[in-house]
Amino acid sequence: QKEVEQDPGPLSVPEGAIVSLNCTYSNSAFQYFMWYRQYSRKGPELLMYTYSSGNKEDGRFTAQVDKSSKYISLFIRDSQPSDSATYLCATATGGGNKLTFGTGTQLKVEL
Amino acid sequence: GAVVSQHPSWVICKSGTSVKIECRSLDFQATTMFWYRQFPKQSLMLMATSNEGSKATYEQGVEKDKFLINHASLTLSTLTVTSAHPEDSSFYICSVPWGQSSTDTQYFGPGTRLTVL
Repeated sequence: QKEVEQDPGPLSVPEGAIVSLNCTYSNSAFQYFMWYRQYSRKGPELLMYTYSSGNKEDGRFTAQVDKSSKYISLFIRDSQPSDSATYLCATATGGGNKLTFGTGTQLKVEL
Repeated sequence: GAVVSQHPSWVICKSGTSVKIECRSLDFQATTMFWYRQFPKQSLMLMATSNEGSKATYEQGVEKDKFLINHASLTLSTLTVTSAHPEDSSFYICSVPWGQSSTDTQYFGPGTRLTVL
C-alpha cells in the first residue's frame, strides 16, 4: 500500500464547474499537506500549503485536511481551461524535509 | 517563496556519456536541495538530498556512483548522470525547502528533460 493514494484520472469537467480532487494517506505522522500543480513538461508549482487539520482558502482554491480520516482535498471553483494540469498532493512529517507525493490527478477543463 | 532555476531545460546525449544538470536557488541560500526524477505519467520520486559542504544522502535504490551530486555553494547544486543509458531518460527536477522552519514546503525548479539515445 502506498503512503499517499491519489486517483490518477483523467478528470474532465466543463468550464465553470467546481472541481474536487482528493488524496488519502496512511501515515498518521504526516503534519504538513500541500497541493502542487504541474503543467506538462514543467516543474511542480506550489498551490496550497496546510498545517494539520482545517481549511485554507486562496482565491478560487480551497484546501481541506481531515486528519481523523486521513483525507485531504483541493476544491477549485469556477474552473478555467488554464487550470488543466496534473495536480499532485504531497505530505510531510515536518521534521524530516522529505515530501511524499501522490501519483497526481490529471485534470482537463473543457470550453 | 523561493525561485529556483535549472539548466539545461532539455538535453540529448549519446549512451555512455555524462551529463551535468545545474540547480540554482536565485533568491534564497539553501543548505539543502532535493533531486527528484519523474517518468512519464508518474509522480515525483526523491533521488537524493544535496547538502552544502557534505556528502549527499541517497534514497534506497539510487546508485550514488551513477548520480553524482555536488552542492558547491549555498545557491548551486549539480547532478551529474555518469555513463548515461537510455533507461536514464527522464525528467529531473530539483527543489529547495523553504518556510519558517526550513522544512515545511519545497519550491521546485522547472525541470530538465534528459533523453539518452
